[in-house]
Amino acid sequence: QVQLQESGPGLVKPSETLSLTCTVSGGSMSPYFWSWLRQPPGKGLEWIGYIHHTGSTDYNPSLQSRLTISLDKSKNQFSLQVKSMTAADTAIYYCARRSGSGAWYFDFWGQGALVIVSS
Amino acid sequence: ETVLTQSPATLYVSPGETATLSCRASQSVSSDLAWYQQKPGQAPRVLMYAASTRTTGTPDRFSGSESATEFTLTISSLQSEDFALYYCQQYNNWPLTFGQGTKVEIK
Repeated sequence: QVQLQESGPGLVKPSETLSLTCTVSGGSMSPYFWSWLRQPPGKGLEWIGYIHHTGSTDYNPSLQSRLTISLDKSKNQFSLQVKSMTAADTAIYYCARRSGSGAWYFDFWGQGALVIVSS
Repeated sequence: ETVLTQSPATLYVSPGETATLSCRASQSVSSDLAWYQQKPGQAPRVLMYAASTRTTGTPDRFSGSESATEFTLTISSLQSEDFALYYCQQYNNWPLTFGQGTKVEIK
């Protein structure tokens, strides 16, 4: 059974860069797509972006200018960086795997990491 | 982007009754729609994809249907574990988008 676990700071200051890592266990990162999503407190879900096991990426246009998603297959990890954080970026950040069927829904999720942006 | 509008925001249902949740897309998403269940403090869990195909482990009291850009998740004979938040997600158009959710609460 594939398991995902987010790690990173729970508190980030405004204007700083958020760095989160997702560690994948119980399975290979190939040949899958791996995504980041977020959920502001009490609100709905927003897809942030993905990285393929080959290293190709795509991002939500609403956030694209501030995002970097990277991959370290030797560690079975992928990471998210968000620059210039503001209070509006306060959210639970999830990592997830695109379904093995090839359709773009998410079949395995991490438990989520709460990130608060505050000075 | 494709906007998904879920209604109602909150649905009050008695155990054993049927809940009907709606998700309307602002443009065609074909049948590329998934439904998720989320409980407090947990990540979402996918229940349905391709509008009406249950994922492994989803009880058959959950069913999905579609009519053009209107999608419905029906939960028959509600059990205590079904009281939760439900989201729809489309994956036909980029970027991927989610609805704002429907909370199913005990009446």
